Amino acid sequence: ETGVTQSPTHLIKTRGQQVTLRCSSQSGHNTVSWYQQALGQGPQFIFQYYREEENGRGNFPPRFSGLQFPNYSSELNVNALELDDSALYLCASSPRAGTSGREQYFGPGTRLTVT
Amino acid sequence: QQQVKQSPQSLIVQKGGISIINCAYENTAFDYFPWYQQFPGKGPALLIAIRPDVSEKKEGRFTISFNKSAKQFSLHIMDSQPGDSATYFCAASGAGGADGLTFGKGTHLIIQP
Repeated sequence: ETGVTQSPTHLIKTRGQQVTLRCSSQSGHNTVSWYQQALGQGPQFIFQYYREEENGRGNFPPRFSGLQFPNYSSELNVNALELDDSALYLCASSPRAGTSGREQYFGPGTRLTVT
Repeated sequence: QQQVKQSPQSLIVQKGGISIINCAYENTAFDYFPWYQQFPGKGPALLIAIRPDVSEKKEGRFTISFNKSAKQFSLHIMDSQPGDSATYFCAASGAGGADGLTFGKGTHLIIQP
């Protein structure tokens, strides 16, 4: 069974640029969530995708957007990058049905540095 | 507004001892409470989770105790080992989970040999 994978591992961007991060969910999982983890802090929920639709969103501005594809992989796009966007971006997948539907399994993350 | 408060921020325990990390929540709509373990440079790994219809859940050396009336839950690590040294996060989510997980700020645990 393949776990959650994310690419790239590290990324350096300049303020004002745009970035796309990618995630492949764990086999059998059809729900993907994205989180931002600042250094020394707990992850913060950005949004969740199910059946290619956004079905939940945290307190993040619209310049954070996403996509989910038919194979359940996902992208996180961030426009007009700001210095405070520097963080570890985590993708988590979860099965939707049954009692285990709430369990979220995280990938290794993408470390984004904005200069 | 921090909806999940975690303490202590850091903890040092001797090998073989019991590590205890506490969390308190405010949102009464929360109904799923997982704990995650994170090593440097890695993503969080799900350790154990509980729902409010039970007061305790044990998996190996890890136990969650849950007090619904006090809106508190805790993680106990029995026979703590140096390999348990990591950052631990409590989290919570509401019905359906579409609102994502709300995490505490984390506890940096060091197990001294």
